[in-house]
Amino acid sequence: GQQLNQSPQSMFIQEGEDVSMNCTSSSIFNTWLWYKQDPGEGPVLLIALYKAGELTSNGRLTAQFGITRKDSFLNISASIPSDVGIYFCAGRMDYRDNYGQNFVFGPGTRLSVLP
Amino acid sequence: NAGVTQTPKFRVLKTGQSMTLLCAQDMNHEYMYWYRQDPGMGLRLIHYSVGEGTTAKGEVPDGYNVSRLKKQNFLLGLESAAPSQTSVYFCASSYEGISGTFGSGTRLTVV
Repeated sequence: GQQLNQSPQSMFIQEGEDVSMNCTSSSIFNTWLWYKQDPGEGPVLLIALYKAGELTSNGRLTAQFGITRKDSFLNISASIPSDVGIYFCAGRMDYRDNYGQNFVFGPGTRLSVLP
Repeated sequence: NAGVTQTPKFRVLKTGQSMTLLCAQDMNHEYMYWYRQDPGMGLRLIHYSVGEGTTAKGEVPDGYNVSRLKKQNFLLGLESAAPSQTSVYFCASSYEGISGTFGSGTRLTVV
């Protein structure tokens, strides 16, 4: 089935640094989602993107729907210790996916923030 | 504000045993989903439901059964557990089919 690639797989950064990560697909997607998962918890939705080129922010987080529609990017500015976790992307190709059953999830980027 | 509650949180099964994972949501959502999460892989959809009394297969349904007898509950059953079903299982619910509220997961080990 369709797979998403996320880069980097893991990263260690200093508190206060900015973070960039991306998600790529071999197919064109119509919707991109970004989630964060804390240890021992389920994913929590951060940002949803619906149009190519769209740039959406949620506090210190900014995500972009790539122009090619085959990728998406997530940036975190001025990282803090609570940003630690795994960041997942998810996407779907078909607007006819009425029930959310066709979302494909990436394997995640594990972020560690050093004080 | 409970959201989505999964029970149990941890379980160890012997190969061939059966069990049921319970998911309960208090948000009156129509849609509910069961996913499994394995190391190095993204979440994969096992089964989903678009309303009380309905179920449908996801990407990896083999070895699992589900039931949605009440709108707020979505049960995932393993009739004869196999080591390949060792995973973390997440339930989610949503009202719009775009994104769901996830539970905190059930970590299942089959030995």
